[in-house]
Amino acid sequence: KNQVEQSPQSLIILEGKNCTLQCNYTVSPFSNLRWYKQDTGRGPVSLTIMTFSENTKSNGRYTATLDADTKQSSLHITASQLSDSASYICVVRPPGGSYIPTFGRGTSLIVHP
Amino acid sequence: NAGVTQTPKFRVLKTGQSMTLLCAQDMNHEYMYWYRQDPGMGLRLIHYSVGEGTTAKGEVPDGYNVSRLKKQNFLLGLESAAPSQTSVYFCASSWGLTTDTQYFGPGTRLTVL
Repeated sequence: KNQVEQSPQSLIILEGKNCTLQCNYTVSPFSNLRWYKQDTGRGPVSLTIMTFSENTKSNGRYTATLDADTKQSSLHITASQLSDSASYICVVRPPGGSYIPTFGRGTSLIVHP
Repeated sequence: NAGVTQTPKFRVLKTGQSMTLLCAQDMNHEYMYWYRQDPGMGLRLIHYSVGEGTTAKGEVPDGYNVSRLKKQNFLLGLESAAPSQTSVYFCASSWGLTTDTQYFGPGTRLTVL
């Protein structure tokens, strides 16, 4: 069964600090890997998307990296802000005609002032 | 643009009751999806639609039915609710099926007693 494991489960950091969230997956190859941000009580919002051949993708203070050899992706947040407090979800979509993605459980990030 | 809206926001049902969740999008997206999100688990795809009049099963379709009579609406039905269906339900829509960004609604919190 395809799996997506995220770590840590939760993380607390001070405002202005950087942090890195991890995503390990078993789906290989895959169509794309996406990182979402989900604020409490709201639906997920896409941050980045990477295809199997890409190594890095940035969106403002968010930078996602991908290592297809080790089947790992990371999301690096630079100069964190209070508004970064949310759950960050890694999603891997298999190739071909399967439209069923595999979602990770998410990392809950709390940014304290 | 309202984006993706869901009705209702909250609902409490008794076991065996039926209900319909409504999802509407004003972005003229071809594809629509229903997910459920349970504590400690990643989002899971229930059903999806690749266009008006079409539906397909996702990862966890049992106990649910869907209909896409109009392009902008995607309905999720529970014919006989069970406590195991207590969850937060998210609807999403997208232009394409694999690489295109999915836009999520705010969610419906359903409790089945």
